[in-house]
Amino acid sequence: DAKTTQPPSMDCAEGRAANLPCNHSTISGNEYVYWYRQIHSQGPQYIIHGLKNNETNEMASLIITEDRKSSTLILPHATLRDTAVYYCIVRPAGTGGFKTIFGAGTRLFVKA
Amino acid sequence: DTAVSQTPKYLVTQMGNDKSIKCEQNLGHDTMYWYKQDSKKFLKIMFSYNNKELIINETVPNRFSPKSPDKAHLNLHINSLELGDSAVYFCASSQEGSEQFFGPGTRLTVL
Repeated sequence: DAKTTQPPSMDCAEGRAANLPCNHSTISGNEYVYWYRQIHSQGPQYIIHGLKNNETNEMASLIITEDRKSSTLILPHATLRDTAVYYCIVRPAGTGGFKTIFGAGTRLFVKA
Repeated sequence: DTAVSQTPKYLVTQMGNDKSIKCEQNLGHDTMYWYKQDSKKFLKIMFSYNNKELIINETVPNRFSPKSPDKAHLNLHINSLELGDSAVYFCASSQEGSEQFFGPGTRLTVL
């Protein structure tokens, strides 16, 4: 079972920031927080990951709370093409690939 | 260049048949995976494989078997297909410990 809890759906206006929350209250010290998204009918796409510190790349920012029990994925300027299901996953470092457990995710609707 | 490719994109077949789905990655990754996404859209891992270890999700029927001719390929063989096998199957690869890159998926329909 997934170790994360996400809202089932969210709306966002085009051009505005999309803030997607994720709760992972049982996260262990060696587990990373990963975010993927799946645009309709396509394979999942990696977005970003982090352990303790906040992270930013060309796609998004990841804010992890100090106690690491929750995180927020931020898409700074959402576009219509960002409409997708977003998955928050916690998994161990190292040989943790098999433990990439996808939950139900958050369906983000970006509206014009 | 496609990083992770799968063939075929669509596969329609009769119950009881045996079929294969091919997957190739050109990223030089050491680990490959197969996932199943059912009609309810839940994505479930089936296998993880590198040259050292095959990890099998215990819920996967033994009619499903991964075959790796080399490091860049992990094919999925399915024997005696059943209606419940209808789903989208995704292949993925990673350098162990890093993020996974997914293929475009193969939609399998069993009639």
